[in-house]
Amino acid sequence: GENVEQHPSTLSVQEGDSAVIKCTYSDSASNYFPWYKQELGKRPQLIIDIRSNVGEKKDQRIAVTLNKTAKHFSLHITETQPEDSAVYFCAATLHGSGNTGKLIFGQGTTLQVKP
Amino acid sequence: DVKVTQSSRYLVKRTGEKVFLECVQDMDHENMFWYRQDPGLGLRLIYFSYDVKMKEKGDIPEGYSVSREKKERFSLILESASTNQTSMYLCASSVISSGRRYEQYFGPGTRLTVT
Repeated sequence: GENVEQHPSTLSVQEGDSAVIKCTYSDSASNYFPWYKQELGKRPQLIIDIRSNVGEKKDQRIAVTLNKTAKHFSLHITETQPEDSAVYFCAATLHGSGNTGKLIFGQGTTLQVKP
Repeated sequence: DVKVTQSSRYLVKRTGEKVFLECVQDMDHENMFWYRQDPGLGLRLIYFSYDVKMKEKGDIPEGYSVSREKKERFSLILESASTNQTSMYLCASSVISSGRRYEQYFGPGTRLTVT
């Protein structure tokens, strides 16, 4: 079946450094790629998303890039802060059964920002 | 502000018991989802509903069933709980509309332990 592979599974950086998380997807019909952040004990929340007609999107310290040809997309966090510590999930829309809004999620990356 | 609530934050059940997990959303969303979250496996879709009384199996439906009698409420049922169903269960909802048509809003999660 379709899947999304996410790497790395854990990432530890010093405060102020950049962090990059990468995902690859298999469904060539995917056209929407969100990133969710889940802080410890809390629910996942959308932090940024990108559509297939856009190659890059930025929102302050976070950015997402998409390469449709290679079927991969990445999350970039610059000037990391301790409050960026969380589990991050990438996702892609699944279109096997039409436009249902279903997402397939990556395995998650635990980001630790050390002060 | 979208609100998705789940009936319990923590639940302990015995093997063989029938378990009901309930999810309610207050934003008239068409789509509702049940996920299971396990470390290193990300969010895996159990069942999906795109309308009242309509349901679709996800990636791991075995041992689970669902019910959606009202638009705002989506129930996950473990017919006969087993220890391998010990996990975090997350409910989500989304609306099909222009703009962020695939953004999913998550509930706080139910941590289920089956002993």
